[in-house]
Amino acid sequence: NAGVTQTPKFQVLKTGQSMTLQCAQDMNHEYMSWYRQDPGMGLRLIHYSVGAGITDQGEVPNGYNVSRSTTEDFPLRLLSAAPSQTSVYFCASSQTGLSSGNTIYFGEGSWLTVV
Amino acid sequence: EDQVTQSPEALRLQEGESSSLNCSYTVSGLRGLFWYRQDPGKGPEFLFTLYSAGEEKEKERLKATLTKKESFLHITAPKPEDSATYLCAVRDSGTYKYIFGTGTRLKVLA
Repeated sequence: NAGVTQTPKFQVLKTGQSMTLQCAQDMNHEYMSWYRQDPGMGLRLIHYSVGAGITDQGEVPNGYNVSRSTTEDFPLRLLSAAPSQTSVYFCASSQTGLSSGNTIYFGEGSWLTVV
Repeated sequence: EDQVTQSPEALRLQEGESSSLNCSYTVSGLRGLFWYRQDPGKGPEFLFTLYSAGEEKEKERLKATLTKKESFLHITAPKPEDSATYLCAVRDSGTYKYIFGTGTRLKVLA
């Protein structure tokens, strides 16, 4: 069972370039989300989705776009990369339900460096 | 505003020396408190979910407890392989957002 799969694992971008981080899950989870993790800052929510066609902003959404066309996939797009976006990015998913505290499961991370 | 604070930031233990990690939280309505373990270069690995005050869960040398304001992760007779960063998160009622603390870096010395 693959769980949550992220690609690429490592990426170096030049300032101003665009790219997409891919995330796929095979657990039929309706909820998917993207976090960034920076030293001393913990995991911060970028965007999340509660189902195909439904997305919303998290704590730090600026400079990132998402879409959710299928239940399985939730790509994160950097429109014009900036050095401040150098970070480790994690995709996570869970079953949904506003009244339940469902556990979220994480991918292995994508290390992004913007030079 | 939802908030999660973990202490200490870092902890060094001798093998076999039991201790506890703290997670203090502020939410309007708790829909779950989660503990994760994160090894360097890896994604967070799920450990426990707690839902209500008084609840306890155990896994090997780890035991998580929950009160109305905080959670503790007790580590009994730790081994070097327990070295990792331990993360705490909460989900507030009425929201799909999970709020994470900054973690406790645990180092267990042989």
